[in-house]
Amino acid sequence: GDSVTQTEGPVTVSESESLIINCTYSATSIAYPNLFWYVRYPGEGLQLLLKVITAGQKGSSRGFEATYNKETTSFHLQKASVQESDSAVYYCALVPDTNAYKVIFGKGTHLHVLP
Amino acid sequence: SVLLYQKPNRDICQSGTSLKIQCVADSQVVSMFWYQQFQEQSLMLMATANEGSEATYESGFTKDKFPISRPNLTFSTLTVNNARPGDSSIYFCSSSGVSAEQFFGPGTRLTVL
Repeated sequence: GDSVTQTEGPVTVSESESLIINCTYSATSIAYPNLFWYVRYPGEGLQLLLKVITAGQKGSSRGFEATYNKETTSFHLQKASVQESDSAVYYCALVPDTNAYKVIFGKGTHLHVLP
Repeated sequence: SVLLYQKPNRDICQSGTSLKIQCVADSQVVSMFWYQQFQEQSLMLMATANEGSEATYESGFTKDKFPISRPNLTFSTLTVNNARPGDSSIYFCSSSGVSAEQFFGPGTRLTVL
């Protein structure tokens, strides 16, 4: 079936350090699913961070980037210099096709950024 | 985008009781979804609710245990019947936007004693 595997947390980094949260996916129902990163800040609900619906493309938001790599079936989240305000839980997710509603989530990665 | 509000934001109840979780959207949405998330686990889709029709449940979730109402295009209620400690989790409502992105409510944290 379809699944998402991401870096197990918690991940702790210091402010201004670089960050990578790994995400790999398995999509058996469709070759090129839509890929997403969601984020949940403390006390808030999940919100979309970035999305990429075309293989080979890169998405970016708030200094974060993720590239849809169909060869390695990966969608790693990266940031060159994190801030304390980036402390949150990050979820990698996929949707099998644009008409589907069922989102397959990873387990989430807790990120703690030290001041 | 759509803003979703949930009430209550947390609840504690005794085993065997029932409780309701409400979800309100700030604009009309065709479909609303309910997700369950156990601690340190991924969100799992429970059911899809469209106005005026019965909710469609995913494997492992039933109408008897988790009845869902969708009386209009901005509102949905999830009920947890005969609550058990194993139902303790966070429940999220959501709706979908373009390109299959989802908008989520803040979640309701349920603890069953």
